[in-house]
Amino acid sequence: DTGVSQDPRHKITKRGQNVTFRCDPISEHNRLYWYRQTLGQGPEFLTYFQNEAQLEKSRLLSDRFSAERPKGSFSTLEIQRTEQGDSAMYLCASSLGETGANVLTFGAGSRLTVL
Amino acid sequence: SQQGEEDPQALSIQEGENATMNCSYKTSINNLQWYRQNSGRGLVHLILIRSNEREKHSGRLRVTLDTSKKSSSLLITASRAADTASYFCATDAGLTGGGNKLTFGTGTQLKVEL
Repeated sequence: DTGVSQDPRHKITKRGQNVTFRCDPISEHNRLYWYRQTLGQGPEFLTYFQNEAQLEKSRLLSDRFSAERPKGSFSTLEIQRTEQGDSAMYLCASSLGETGANVLTFGAGSRLTVL
Repeated sequence: SQQGEEDPQALSIQEGENATMNCSYKTSINNLQWYRQNSGRGLVHLILIRSNEREKHSGRLRVTLDTSKKSSSLLITASRAADTASYFCATDAGLTGGGNKLTFGTGTQLKVEL
């Protein structure tokens, strides 16, 4: 296991279409996070899973966004009826659920362009 | 929302010089972390400093934390061209279940020239 994998790396879609991103975390990590990053900004928190439970969602995650982690392993982030404002880099990260401070390991990201 | 603000937004130095970037944040934290991001790629963790620590070193990196001023600084000594990247501070205020909700700043773009 070489790290956090994200697929696809780049997705170009037309406004109104649905898109789905997949994240495969480091296998022994039980925590998984989704962030969104727009050009020139830092990543913004979207949601967090511990095993298969989605424990927190940001207000940024509108009802067009849904994230799942069905078996506590890989995760998907789906955006329905995409808008041009959804264009961004979607970053997945995972961490080992130890007590105290955890360090996040990020994937390379999935870049979404909505035309 | 972004909690941290990095200063400067951009920094250009010569190889061998030191680079210092600063981060200010707004709320109480458990710890503060610094990450590096090469253009168009994911973030890589550099160093973590807990709220009860004042200074930490890792190789060519030195981080300080002043919780009374809600600020941190990252010093990269003897910079190399390979250090060219964006640097982000991230504050950890905790999450349900003990996870980390890292809130990132806007970043400092560092360019190290030969």
